[in-house]
Amino acid sequence: RKEVEQDPGPFNVPEGATVAFNCTYSNSASQSFFWYRQDCRKEPKLLMSVYSSGNEDGRFTAQLNRASQYISLLIRDSKLSDSATYLCVVNIHASGGSYIPTFGRGTSLIVHP
Amino acid sequence: DAGVIQSPRHEVTEMGQEVTLRCKPISGHNSLFWYRQTMMRGLELLIYFNNNVPIDDSGMPEDRFSAKMPNASFSTLKIQPSEPRDSAVYFCASSRGFNQPQHFGDGTRLSIL
Repeated sequence: RKEVEQDPGPFNVPEGATVAFNCTYSNSASQSFFWYRQDCRKEPKLLMSVYSSGNEDGRFTAQLNRASQYISLLIRDSKLSDSATYLCVVNIHASGGSYIPTFGRGTSLIVHP
Repeated sequence: DAGVIQSPRHEVTEMGQEVTLRCKPISGHNSLFWYRQTMMRGLELLIYFNNNVPIDDSGMPEDRFSAKMPNASFSTLKIQPSEPRDSAVYFCASSRGFNQPQHFGDGTRLSIL
């Protein structure tokens, strides 16, 4: 089982739709969770951190469910410009005591008119 | 403010040649990360440094790869000798602390012929 898993999609939604992605992680000792977006042939860019109590930034809401070991990203009122690949990052506790930032493979979102 | 600066942006070379990728992190950031991204494997952490000290290099594929961080403002990733399967986009990222959000450079697109 991969340490961080995402549904690759693509999620194909019309403008204005609400769409949600999940990201599951295998190590319960994980800490520090983030969502990044990556446009084609560009670098990943931070979208938002994920806090234990959940957090919102405009149309974007991130949540953490430690019991079920997943984080989620909800996008409301989708825009054409939201089309991108969304990557989750989990700091996985490693055997040597350090934490390893581990990226999911990403979920592709396509927003169409 | 300047972001993470990587050079070169593109590199095309023949197999067997030495390749050196360079990275200047954001000033004040004390964690630096090297990643490799391919279609097949996604974004993989190769190595990361904290305060110029390598913390985890378990992602370095083999002895042909080496990384150094001689000071807080410069790091290199070297491949010697290079092979066609090393072709990928190599990203450098930095952060204020290990559990803080990472900021990525534009990446180096490496093609080994």
